[in-house]
Amino acid sequence: DARVTQTPRDKVTEMGQEVTMRCQPILGHNTVFWYRQTMMQGLELLAYFRNRAPLDDSGMPKDRFSAEMPDATLATLKIQPSEPRDSAVYFCASGLESGVGGELFFGEGSRLTVL
Amino acid sequence: SQQGEEDPQALSIQEGENATMNCSYKTSINNLQWYRQNSGRGLVHLILIRSNEREKHSGRLRVTLDTSKKSSSLLITASRAADTASYFCATDAGQAGTALIFGKGTTLSVSS
Repeated sequence: DARVTQTPRDKVTEMGQEVTMRCQPILGHNTVFWYRQTMMQGLELLAYFRNRAPLDDSGMPKDRFSAEMPDATLATLKIQPSEPRDSAVYFCASGLESGVGGELFFGEGSRLTVL
Repeated sequence: SQQGEEDPQALSIQEGENATMNCSYKTSINNLQWYRQNSGRGLVHLILIRSNEREKHSGRLRVTLDTSKKSSSLLITASRAADTASYFCATDAGQAGTALIFGKGTTLSVSS
């Protein structure tokens, strides 16, 4: 049963610490997305990769956030330094295409709490 | 920025009743998708409707799309307690290679 795997599922950290979230997309998918979900803002797009190349990271605070795809089986989202306002659930999703169709498959999310 | 906006924000119904959720969006689209999210879980794709389609069915789900009004509706017929979840519409921006933008969702509660 193919699925998107995210780690960690839960992370509690203190302000100023570095946080790295990892995502293993479904094998064969060529698009990977990072979304952040909060009660106030809903689901916000942070970054988007196609064939490992970043296409859109305009929704991501560049001073502290970075997203990479070291290889086709791993996407990372890093926050350094973390702040309490970064507390949210971060979702990774993968798909075969976007914009011209194609569903996204979501992981179960990484719940981040920054104290 | 939010592309889609769902209405209502919350909906409570009894089992067996139908549930209708609406979505409005701002720009032209290639397709519109609906997703479901159970509490504490990731989103799951329900149905996709293309801009040249007006209605689509999948089991107890019926989706309509009115591109002239930039709106869509999701109808769940004969609802069950297991349908309790949040439902989101998602749209692209009408250009190939753009990401999906999600609305804030409708929280549906079905009581038995």
